[in-house]
Amino acid sequence: QVTLRESGPALVKPTQTLTLTCTFSGFSVSTSGVSVSWIRQPPGKALEWLALIDWDDDKYYSTSLKTRLTISKDTSKNQVVLIMTNMDPVDTATYYCARINLVRGVMRGMDVWGQGTTVTVSS
Amino acid sequence: SYVLSQPPSVSVAPGKTARITCGGNNIGSKSVFWYQQKPGQAPILVVYGDTDRPSGIPERFSGSNSGNTATLTISRVEAGDEADYYCQVWDVSSYHWVFGGGTKLTVL
Repeated sequence: QVTLRESGPALVKPTQTLTLTCTFSGFSVSTSGVSVSWIRQPPGKALEWLALIDWDDDKYYSTSLKTRLTISKDTSKNQVVLIMTNMDPVDTATYYCARINLVRGVMRGMDVWGQGTTVTVSS
Repeated sequence: SYVLSQPPSVSVAPGKTARITCGGNNIGSKSVFWYQQKPGQAPILVVYGDTDRPSGIPERFSGSNSGNTATLTISRVEAGDEADYYCQVWDVSSYHWVFGGGTKLTVL
């Protein structure tokens, strides 16, 4: 069974750095075709893609947030970490991680999601 | 950057067919994904590769994609289908995943 779970602080202050961890089971991010992505959703708003790391350790970032984001993985711990610097109240959102699966050359999309973790940015 | 446009809301009576559109420049050349999100829950994938359904997704959910518009069609709509629906593509030119703005489906 494939599961993902996000963890991190529920509250951060403006200008602080946010570190979120996605801990997963049932798959390996070193398997060819497997990636893990971070997505966020401000209250009442749409989903926004943030970053992705793939099996080859290639990393991709949202253009608008690229300077503030760092994604990394620890395959031995089955974890993917997202760091976001210089947090602002507009970054208040639910943050999700999701598996992206490429199976036999067919992109299956974000086929399994974590339940999300809510982060509030406030002084 | 690539932009996907969805209507903010669609309403449909139970038992009828709902169609949710997703507009994008030459989206027919891209692979489209659709997600369903109910209040307080994480999104779930309902269509991938324009037309395919993950296991466990009812056949009532189907997708199509041509030209500048992709469409999610939900047949024989049920009250439990009421949710927000998001389209998504992988924009190879920018190496970005892009979401549409979402459509709230209301079952009357």
